[in-house]
Amino acid sequence: KNQVEQSPQSLIILEGKNCTLQCNYTVSPFSNLRWYKQDTGRGPVSLTIMTFSENTKSNGRYTATLDADTKQSSLHITASQLSDSASYICVVETDRGSTLGRLYFGRGTQLTVWP
Amino acid sequence: DAGVIQSPRHEVTEMGQEVTLRCKPISGHNSLFWYRQTMMRGLELLIYFNNNVPIDDSGMPEDRFSAKMPNASFSTLKIQPSEPRDSAVYFCASDRGHGANVLTFGAGSRLTVL
Repeated sequence: KNQVEQSPQSLIILEGKNCTLQCNYTVSPFSNLRWYKQDTGRGPVSLTIMTFSENTKSNGRYTATLDADTKQSSLHITASQLSDSASYICVVETDRGSTLGRLYFGRGTQLTVWP
Repeated sequence: DAGVIQSPRHEVTEMGQEVTLRCKPISGHNSLFWYRQTMMRGLELLIYFNNNVPIDDSGMPEDRFSAKMPNASFSTLKIQPSEPRDSAVYFCASDRGHGANVLTFGAGSRLTVL
């Protein structure tokens, strides 16, 4: 069964600290993995997209890693800011060329950054 | 580009009423998706279109839900009759339809069915 599991479900950190969010998936065939940030009351916004051959990708203070062998990904946030408070959603896409090509969403990690 | 535009942003209606949600995708994007988000289930795909043709509607809950895409710049999601359990945020998203490209979401339509 195609699934995306994220941990932790929620996380509270102090401003300026680093944190790492985890994503494990069983989706196959794999096409790409995405991390999205969703602010309260807004739609998700893409942070990174990684294909099978990419094992790390950065977007400012956000760095995503991908281990396609173990089917794991992480999102590392450096020097957190209050504006990082949001839900972070891991999404895995199957091969869109197949009739079952689609996106599978994790439930998200709710990050709260305290001053 | 104004991004993916959804309307209405908020809708409150009574059980049994018809609800129509609207979406304008980004110009040039060939794929359009409708998602539903709840606290219990997170984001769920309802249906997606490629070049205005429905490709996967396996996520549509039941016959009360229907979606159309009459042209490349407009789509609707209709619920008739609505029920309290349909209360959720409904997102529309679009992308170019091939390759590892960015899926861009609208701001969502928050539906409350009383």
